[in-house]
Amino acid sequence: DAGITQSPRHKVTETGTPVTLRCHQTENHRYMYWYRQDPGHGLRLIHYSYGVKDTDKGEVSDGYSVSRSKTEDFLLTLESATSSQTSVYFCAIRNPPGETQYFGPGTRLLVL
Amino acid sequence: DQQVKQNSPSLSVQEGRISILNCDYTNSMFDYFLWYKKYPAEGPTFLISISSIKDKNEDGRFTVFLNKSAKHLSLHIVPSQPGDSAVYFCAASFAVRGGAQKLVFGQGTRLTINP
Repeated sequence: DAGITQSPRHKVTETGTPVTLRCHQTENHRYMYWYRQDPGHGLRLIHYSYGVKDTDKGEVSDGYSVSRSKTEDFLLTLESATSSQTSVYFCAIRNPPGETQYFGPGTRLLVL
Repeated sequence: DQQVKQNSPSLSVQEGRISILNCDYTNSMFDYFLWYKKYPAEGPTFLISISSIKDKNEDGRFTVFLNKSAKHLSLHIVPSQPGDSAVYFCAASFAVRGGAQKLVFGQGTRLTINP
């Protein structure tokens, strides 16, 4: 158990509305990640963070922004939700020197 | 461009036999390879990993083999048990900005263990 929680766990929203997903960790890990999982694609990296206020883009970052104002929280914002952003979103942490990333339980988002 | 591929969407194996899951990659810059197991409505769970400088790593019933010349890795589960039924993802990592590691995932293979 890497001490990761995600909130909300389920959300239904309408196209065009902003949505913020929260990832919270309790063990002071430096590296945090946001992924989305879709059928046929595995998991794809959206954004990652390598420290407070230090973030960078992943492979599917369009339409998403992130913020990390304190070590324990990494927020993912869909600025104006679209139906193509219906997905399951996973947060992950990594604790060096190991290379393994550990995942949270996921947030299921439905955009109508 | 799919850098990590799992070409078998599903695999069915008899309980007690060996399960072999395969993964191919294209990028020589990957420095670690990992396998994750995922049950429905849960996050992926780490199983086993291997460094690119090794060719085998073993942990209990799970063994990962890496063939760098073929850019191929495989996960062997022996003996297979009903609780092993899940979706298995292979992932490859490489270093990026700030000391972070990016993971690139395959599409997953659904393993079903039959009694």
